[in-house]
Amino acid sequence: SQQGEEDPQALSIQEGENATMNCSYKTSINNLQWYRQNSGRGLVHLILIRSNEREKHSGRLRVTLDTSKKSSSLLITASRAADTASYFCATAAAAYNFNKFYFGSGTKLNVKP
Amino acid sequence: DAGITQSPRHKVTETGTPVTLRCHQTENHRYMYWYRQDPGHGLRLIHYSYGVKDTDKGEVSDGYSVSRSKTEDFLLTLESATSSQTSVYFCAISAGDGTGELFFGEGSRLTVL
Repeated sequence: SQQGEEDPQALSIQEGENATMNCSYKTSINNLQWYRQNSGRGLVHLILIRSNEREKHSGRLRVTLDTSKKSSSLLITASRAADTASYFCATAAAAYNFNKFYFGSGTKLNVKP
Repeated sequence: DAGITQSPRHKVTETGTPVTLRCHQTENHRYMYWYRQDPGHGLRLIHYSYGVKDTDKGEVSDGYSVSRSKTEDFLLTLESATSSQTSVYFCAISAGDGTGELFFGEGSRLTVL
C-alpha cells in the first residue's frame, strides 16, 4: 500500500489544548492532504501541502511535511469541542498517477469541553 | 457543497446477490473514485475513473467492478456480494487540476447477510 500509518489512533484532549497527529507514507509523493470526517459523514478537505513545501498554515491548522522521513504532521491549535472528528491524511504518488489517492487509517480526536 | 449524490444510502442484501451502487455528480469533474471504509482500515481505494470509459484498479478491487458511461455517473457493482463486503462505501470526485482536492459523497452503508 502507498500509505503507512497515522498515529495516534485516538487522541483525547481538553478544549483549548493543541492536538497533533502524524502521518507516514511509503513512496515519493506529489502532494499530501488532510481531511476531516465527522461521525457518519463524508470526508471534508482541510489542507494540501505539496512535496516541495515544508510547512503550511490555514487558520488554526498547521501542516508540516518532511519528505526525507516520509512523514507529515497536522497541528490544530486552541482546539474546540467542534473539532471532535476523525482526521485522515491522503497521498498521491509522485510518478505514474498523481490523481490516485490513498488514505491512512486515521486519528480519532475527542476534544472535551 | 459539491454536487455528489450516492444511491442507495442504505442497503441490506443477502450473500450471493448482485448489488450496484451509484455515484452521480453535477460538477463535471474528470476523476471519480470509490472507497470503502471499515473500522481500523481507514479508507481503501477500490477503483477510480479518469474519464468516460477509463478506469483503474485500487488496492482492494477484487470482487468489484465499475463502469463510467457518462461523465456524471460512476457505478460500483458487486457481482455476487459476500459478507466481507459489508462496509460503508464512499464516492469522491476531483477536478484533477493540480489542486487534487477530493469531494466526498455522504456514503452508502451496505450490509451483506
